[in-house]
Amino acid sequence: GNSVTQMEGPVTLSEEAFLTINCTYTATGYPSLFWYVQYPGEGLQLLLKATKADDKGSNKGFEATYRKETTSFHLEKGSVQVSDSAVYFCALSDYGGSQGNLIFGKGTKLSVKP
Amino acid sequence: KAGVTQTPRYLIKTRGQQVTLSCSPISGHRSVSWYQQTPGQGLQFLFEYFSETQRNKGNFPGRFSGRQFSNSRSEMNVSTLELGDSALYLCASNHIPRTGRDEQYFGPGTRLTVT
Repeated sequence: GNSVTQMEGPVTLSEEAFLTINCTYTATGYPSLFWYVQYPGEGLQLLLKATKADDKGSNKGFEATYRKETTSFHLEKGSVQVSDSAVYFCALSDYGGSQGNLIFGKGTKLSVKP
Repeated sequence: KAGVTQTPRYLIKTRGQQVTLSCSPISGHRSVSWYQQTPGQGLQFLFEYFSETQRNKGNFPGRFSGRQFSNSRSEMNVSTLELGDSALYLCASNHIPRTGRDEQYFGPGTRLTVT
């Protein structure tokens, strides 16, 4: 079945450090890929998405490229800020199968220290 | 445009009771999905409704049910609550464009504690 695997956390970085959170997926068909962010006590916010191979999603300095050959969608940011501290979820949606059904990774907690 | 509204935000119930959670999607969205988030299992899909019909269902027991009304508002119900039902329940409002892929917008969630 479809699944998403993302790196275990927590990840602790100093402000202005480079961030990479790895995400790989298993899916049939041609899934869309997403990164969601969850701040403490809140719901999920869509951070960025990519709908086909080689697409690059970007938002607020974060980027991720849909790599079909390596089935990956790694999240990167060149210089993190304290305000980026949150839990990040990689997810996929396989429209060939279920609609309205996202499959999530376990989440990676990021803490950025000043 | 107003976001996704979930009520109540917090709820404490006792084992064996039942509970109903409500979700109002973004105006114009006709599809709603529900997810359960727990520390152990992460985010798991419960079910999805489109125009008052359940289109898809996750692997949860029959104690978990839902419905959607003609105004797209959705409710989910959990009967005979168990301690393990303690979780954050998230509702997503699904934008289904004429072309391109769907997008999901999440509400703040309802934190259910079962004692």
